[in-house]
Amino acid sequence: NAGVTQTPKFRILKIGQSMTLQCTQDMNHNYMYWYRQDPGMGLKLIYYSVGAGITDKGEVPNGYNVSRSTTEDFPLRLELAAPSQTSVYFCASSYSSTGDAGDTEAFFGQGTRLTVV
Amino acid sequence: GEDVEQSLFLSVREGDSSVINCTYTDSSSTYLYWYKQEPGAGLQLLTYIFSNMDMKQDQRLTVLLNKKDKHLSLRIADTQTGDSAIYFCAVLKTSYDKVIFGPGTSLSVIP
Repeated sequence: NAGVTQTPKFRILKIGQSMTLQCTQDMNHNYMYWYRQDPGMGLKLIYYSVGAGITDKGEVPNGYNVSRSTTEDFPLRLELAAPSQTSVYFCASSYSSTGDAGDTEAFFGQGTRLTVV
Repeated sequence: GEDVEQSLFLSVREGDSSVINCTYTDSSSTYLYWYKQEPGAGLQLLTYIFSNMDMKQDQRLTVLLNKKDKHLSLRIADTQTGDSAIYFCAVLKTSYDKVIFGPGTSLSVIP
């Protein structure tokens, strides 16, 4: 199993450009998440999904969009990149949010470092 | 305000014990986790504790939970340079079905 795979690992965008951060998991997990990590701020939840076809906003959704057409994929779209979106982005997945603690463990990708200039 | 709080930095000498503290606000949290993030990598689950427990030990790691004070701690015995990382406290808020992460504590181990 590859686990959670994110691409690209690094990207530099100009202000106003668009891009899609890809995330795929091969563990048949129902839950998938996008976080951004900024120094001293921890992880902030952008969007999450509890299953294919269902997405919900997290704490900081503005400027982002997601879709979940399959169980495996959860891409994050930036439509008009702004300097405030410079961050490290992590995708994560878990089997469930209830039940045994083992089912709730979140598995993380390696991150995408995005710089908007 | 933050739902989960941690101090941002901790520095210890190699061989000493490290204690990383976390406070949370939601008393309905069922699972509480410690994740470790090594430089340039994603987060990995270290250990977790269920809300009806007050202590869990796993080799060099001891997790203590004080539900009354909503305080969670992670003790690392005989801290090694390889333990240098950022440690995130996280809680599962069942009312929202989302895991909420703290800001992370950067642990530096001095040889």
